Amino acid sequence: AQSVAQPEDQVNVAEGNPLTVKCTYSVSGNPYLFWYVQYPNRGLQFLLKYITGDNLVKGSYGFEAEFNKSQTSFHLKKPSALVSDSALYFCAHLTGFQKLVFGTGTRLLVSP
Amino acid sequence: GAVVSQHPSWVICKSGTSVKIECRSLDFQATTMFWYRQFPKQSLMLMATSNEGSKATYEQGVEKDKFLINHASLTLSTLTVTSAHPEDSSFYICSAGTADYNSPLHFGNGTRLTVT
Repeated sequence: AQSVAQPEDQVNVAEGNPLTVKCTYSVSGNPYLFWYVQYPNRGLQFLLKYITGDNLVKGSYGFEAEFNKSQTSFHLKKPSALVSDSALYFCAHLTGFQKLVFGTGTRLLVSP
Repeated sequence: GAVVSQHPSWVICKSGTSVKIECRSLDFQATTMFWYRQFPKQSLMLMATSNEGSKATYEQGVEKDKFLINHASLTLSTLTVTSAHPEDSSFYICSAGTADYNSPLHFGNGTRLTVT
């Protein structure tokens, strides 16, 4: 089955350090991949997407992600983490018209 | 930017009653809206696709008679949880997108339903 996987339930990083939240995909054809962030008791906010083109995608709030076809990965990165980045992050792929399927989510905790 | 409004943000109801959750696209028309359910500390599970002017498409395992979806206009979809039970308690989130296939979906802020 086509899916995305987030192997880490939680990622801990100190403020100011770079962060990486991992996502791998198992999608036939050209994958359409997304990253969303969720703050407590809120809906999801769009961060970035990969459709085609440059493998390095820049998104909101200083986040970026690199599409790596050989490793079937789409890891989310930020050069310098902020405490306010602490949230739940979801990788997702598009399975049909506007139909997203989400990974299990990774909780990011940035310590001061 | 595109805004999706979801109401109420939280609701408590008694077992056996029905609860309606509204999802509105405030500044764009959405022919398709999606309803998700999220259990604590878990991912979002797609429940159904709401199509304006036609019947909703439900994912496997989702009871259509339990979760009634109505998409009466291009800006409003409703989810009604009928004869609610405590196991229906969850966080329900809707999303909507424009007609542009490449545009990201926009999500409501969710509704926390607690059935007592």
